[in-house]
Amino acid sequence: TQLLEQSPQFLSIQEGENLTVYCNSSSVFSSLQWYRQEPGEGPVLLVTVVTGGEVKKLKRLTFQFGDARKDSSLHITAAQPGDTGLYLCAGSNAGNNRKLIWGLGTSLAVNP
Amino acid sequence: NAGVTQTPKFQVLKTGQSMTLQCAQDMNHNSMYWYRQDPGMGLRLIYYSASEGTTDKGEVPNGYNVSRLNKREFSLRLESAAPSQTSVYFCASRGLRVYQYHEQYFGPGTRLTVT
Repeated sequence: TQLLEQSPQFLSIQEGENLTVYCNSSSVFSSLQWYRQEPGEGPVLLVTVVTGGEVKKLKRLTFQFGDARKDSSLHITAAQPGDTGLYLCAGSNAGNNRKLIWGLGTSLAVNP
Repeated sequence: NAGVTQTPKFQVLKTGQSMTLQCAQDMNHNSMYWYRQDPGMGLRLIYYSASEGTTDKGEVPNGYNVSRLNKREFSLRLESAAPSQTSVYFCASRGLRVYQYHEQYFGPGTRLTVT
C-alpha cells in the first residue's frame, strides 16, 4: 500500500517567519501535487511536480520534488496570515492514474 | 463558470434516515469523485466515476451508493444513515487534457451530522 507521510502535523508560527513542510513516501510517484485547504472550504490545487529534482515557485512558495520522486517539500518564505490553512500532498502513479494517494496534511497557523 | 458545486452545504439526519448529496461540475470533466474528510483520517475516497456510465468503489464504500447521472452530475446516497457517517463530504472532478497530471478540483463540501 502506498502511503504519503506529511510532517509536521501542526505548525504555528509568527508572520514573517520561514517554514518548510515535508511529504515523504517509500514509493515512487509519477507526479505529486500540493493543495491548500482553508477552513470550511474544499482543497485547492497549488502545484503539480512531475520530474525528479524539479523545483517550482509560486510567489513566496517553493515546491521541490525529490530526485527519486519519493518525496517533496514546500517552503514558504516570509509567511503571512493568509497562508493559514491545511496543506495536503497527493501522489499519483502510472499504475492507477485515476486515483490519488493523499497525505494527512500539515495544519499551518500564521499569527499576525 | 462555477466549477464544482455541491448541495446541501449542511445537513443533520437522524440514524436510519436516507439522503442524497448532489454534485455538479461545469468543466466538461470526465472523472468525478466522492471523498469524506474526518479529523486524523484525511481524505478518503468513497466512490469514483472515471467516465459517464461507470462507477467504482474507493477505500470506504460501505453504506453508500452513487449515480453518475450524466457527464455533469454525480450523486452520493446514504440509504440508512449511521453516526459513523458524520463527516464532511467533498465532491471532486478531474479532466483529461494534455499535460494535466490528475489534478482534482473540489467543491465546497457538505457537512453532515448523523444523530
